[in-house]
Amino acid sequence: AQSVTQLDSQVPVFEEAPVELRCNYSSSVSVYLFWYVQYPNQGLQLLLKYLSGSTLVESINGFEAEFNKSQTSFHLRKPSVHISDTAEYFCAVSVFGNEKLTFGTGTRLTIIP
Amino acid sequence: DAEITQSPRHKITETGRQVTLACHQTWNHNNMFWYRQDLGHGLRLIHYSYGVQDTNKGEVSDGYSVSRSNTEDLPLTLESAASSQTSVYFCASSEGTSGRPYNEQFFGPGTRLTVL
Repeated sequence: AQSVTQLDSQVPVFEEAPVELRCNYSSSVSVYLFWYVQYPNQGLQLLLKYLSGSTLVESINGFEAEFNKSQTSFHLRKPSVHISDTAEYFCAVSVFGNEKLTFGTGTRLTIIP
Repeated sequence: DAEITQSPRHKITETGRQVTLACHQTWNHNNMFWYRQDLGHGLRLIHYSYGVQDTNKGEVSDGYSVSRSNTEDLPLTLESAASSQTSVYFCASSEGTSGRPYNEQFFGPGTRLTVL
């Protein structure tokens, strides 16, 4: 079975500062990795995904994540955050041939003006 | 535009009552999923379906049931609501037949259920 750990439940960051949201996973087989974002009072939206190939993946709004197999991590980074990035971020994992997602407990990102 | 909707958006019920939460998608997706979201637990899979007449138990299926009689709908039923089932419920769907290694799940807006 797979599991996902997000150690930081809340991360406050000043506007225009960089941020890293940590995600570690555990699995005995190869995995696909995802970051989902949930804006206040909304459902989840896919932010970015790693399926194969380049270990660095990017989103259209400036976030990036790097798959590190040796450290079993998929941390999410942004060099300069904006107020509009205020949301809860979920790391998730699935395995090849199985589209079920296993989610982490989420990290609430709060941007301080 | 294609979409996924959930109803009701908010529901208050009493312990012991049967409750059904609706999920409807217009993408013609084969796969549909039900999750519950609780503080400190993230999202946990309740039930899922890979097509009409197919249903499967997820991580936290006790006390819940689903049925898939058509492609568009996957209603979630709480047979006898309990206070522990107070939560926010999300429905999701994905294509399932594209041949791609993974198909993105699209989430509905959620239903907030309170069991008193």
